[in-house]
Amino acid sequence: NFMLTQPHSVSESPGKTITISCTGSSGSIASNYVQWYQQRPGSAPTTVIYEDKQRPFGVPDRFSGSIDSSSNSASLTISGLKTEDEADYYCQSYDSNTHVVFGGGTRLTVL
Amino acid sequence: QVQLQESGPGLVKPSETLSLTCTVSGDSISSSYWTWIRQPAGKGLEWIGRIYASGSTNYKVSLKSRVTISADRSKNQVSLKLTSVTAADTAVYYCARDLSGSSSAWGQGTLVTVSS
Repeated sequence: NFMLTQPHSVSESPGKTITISCTGSSGSIASNYVQWYQQRPGSAPTTVIYEDKQRPFGVPDRFSGSIDSSSNSASLTISGLKTEDEADYYCQSYDSNTHVVFGGGTRLTVL
Repeated sequence: QVQLQESGPGLVKPSETLSLTCTVSGDSISSSYWTWIRQPAGKGLEWIGRIYASGSTNYKVSLKSRVTISADRSKNQVSLKLTSVTAADTAVYYCARDLSGSSSAWGQGTLVTVSS
């Protein structure tokens, strides 16, 4: 079964830059689009990156996405960290049957 | 602006059927595809399945025997049925539009507890 692996947690100081990785278990992660969702406590997820690197309207350009085929990973980079960025972040892609697969989520702490 | 509202019983007995409805406003359910996702307390997101505007559906393999997603265009609603529930099905259930596109939108979620 295709899986996406994320670090359980990351932390960084306000104003800094952080990168969250999402590694595919098999195949090429570049074969299907990767999305990233932000989930603040008590709220539903919202999309911060879709189709590997696209930002929905209203998402600041401090958020960026990329794909690294050599490591079979996708990454979410957040620059100029703000306390409001503190949340859980989930990557999402598809398996060979185009079924949706989520990563386990990464808790971002901004301290 | 599209709004999605999940609704249904908050408590379901073991072995019974969980039934939820996602009522869509500000958009037609015929315009996109709709996805159900769940999240147990303190855990990650789990995809349940989706329905396309054509009516075709896809389900997570491990849930396929118990899940049905359907659409009622007259009411602009998408529904989820999950049979033979157990405590492991206790979760917040979300519906979402166009999960992985620029117009992605989620409902606020509804908590379903399976307990006698």
